[in-house]
Amino acid sequence: SQQGEEDPQALSIQEGENATMNCSYKTSINNLQWYRQNSGRGLVHLILIRSNEREKHSGRLRVTLDTSKKSSSLLITASRAADTASYFCATERNGGYQKVTFGTGTKLQVIP
Amino acid sequence: EAGVVQSPRYKIIEKKQPVAFWCNPISGHNTLYWYLQNLGQGPELLIRYENEEAVDDSQLPKDRFSAERLKGVDSTLKIQPAELGDSAVYLCASSLFGTDTQYFGPGTRLTVL
Repeated sequence: SQQGEEDPQALSIQEGENATMNCSYKTSINNLQWYRQNSGRGLVHLILIRSNEREKHSGRLRVTLDTSKKSSSLLITASRAADTASYFCATERNGGYQKVTFGTGTKLQVIP
Repeated sequence: EAGVVQSPRYKIIEKKQPVAFWCNPISGHNTLYWYLQNLGQGPELLIRYENEEAVDDSQLPKDRFSAERLKGVDSTLKIQPAELGDSAVYLCASSLFGTDTQYFGPGTRLTVL
């Protein structure tokens, strides 16, 4: 079963614009990760944010986490055509062993 | 450093036939995962290994799916017999024990006719 749900399901923007994707989840978590998947390829880890963190940056990526709302957002600034991919959030549940569950994904298209 | 290797990349079989997928994780990674990914969906965990031990196989359909990780390195996932609904991409990932980042292979795209 999918723990997280990404919103929107699909997003199309012009190169140079910012792209924002959201992830909502259901249970308490230890951390939340974002992954990228190019068409026909495996997933690539982008960034991890822990439950005691509110914001994290990595290059053109900015991730926020609101544990009270059980939601996270991924912002890609100054998008490039190469950012075209599907983006997934993955949550590690609180308690028990390290169990990571992936969301349904946002399909981003960046138009050159 | 070599990434996670999977083979074959593509497999087409007829229903009721057996099929096997192979995964070689990143050297030194103790944790190995097998995921199933349907079109337009996120990966769903089938089984997770810590070294040779399957620590989570709750989502593995054990009537037709089996997996092994001999010597705590390579792993094989088998389906016997395959059904039409098994058509999907099968992803393997690995991580260092106790860390959070998973490294994925390119996947095996299975088509069952």
